[in-house]
Amino acid sequence: DQQVKQNSPSLSVQEGRISILNCDYTNSMFDYFLWYKKYPAEGPTFLISISSIKDKNEDGRFTVFLNKSAKHLSLHIVPSQPGDSAVYFCAASGSGNTGKLIFGQGTTLQVKP
Amino acid sequence: DTEVTQTPKHLVMGMTNKKSLKCEQHMGHRAMYWYKQKAKKPPELMFVYSYEKLSINESVPSRFSPECPNSSLLNLHLHALQPEDSALYLCASSQDDVWASDYNEQFFGPGTRLTVL
Repeated sequence: DQQVKQNSPSLSVQEGRISILNCDYTNSMFDYFLWYKKYPAEGPTFLISISSIKDKNEDGRFTVFLNKSAKHLSLHIVPSQPGDSAVYFCAASGSGNTGKLIFGQGTTLQVKP
Repeated sequence: DTEVTQTPKHLVMGMTNKKSLKCEQHMGHRAMYWYKQKAKKPPELMFVYSYEKLSINESVPSRFSPECPNSSLLNLHLHALQPEDSALYLCASSQDDVWASDYNEQFFGPGTRLTVL
């Protein structure tokens, strides 16, 4: 049973436009969500996180939105840059999960110059 | 120092070999993790160490043996692996003990690309 889902395996966006990556979860006990970025043959890099008491967190070009009622979060990147091309993983943790991260399957973002 | 380092970067081994993967962090983090990642899949948690003690083992086969010699180091000893164990092995660390906090960013190392022949 996949508790964290990223239903879009890939996304292609033009440089300068907005990239929106989506993530859905099923476990209402999750209360902390994170986004990681991964280049091939490298480890994931932490990007941004949000706790369930917030609905938005912003850090530079990256903004994460959380809709608890819909059990949905999204990562907005604006403006998108070619260097943003990577695999993006959504992850969740929460009570009962002992701080363990449950990862989604990942979305490959390609930003075209 | 905000890095998690892993050695070696690449490792090729036969099914009868014994080898070790090493991970180091100097951020004073209390928890350290081993993950396995196959191509086009998310990282899969293998082991968690909290305060140098093994706190979570995700039913990993005994041919993988973790060791935490001190708070900065984490090893993964490999013996009698199978070709299907070929993967990227990732180490991570986090500030808090995994049992103490849900709000725990994990910082990953670059990984060791393991190939089992």
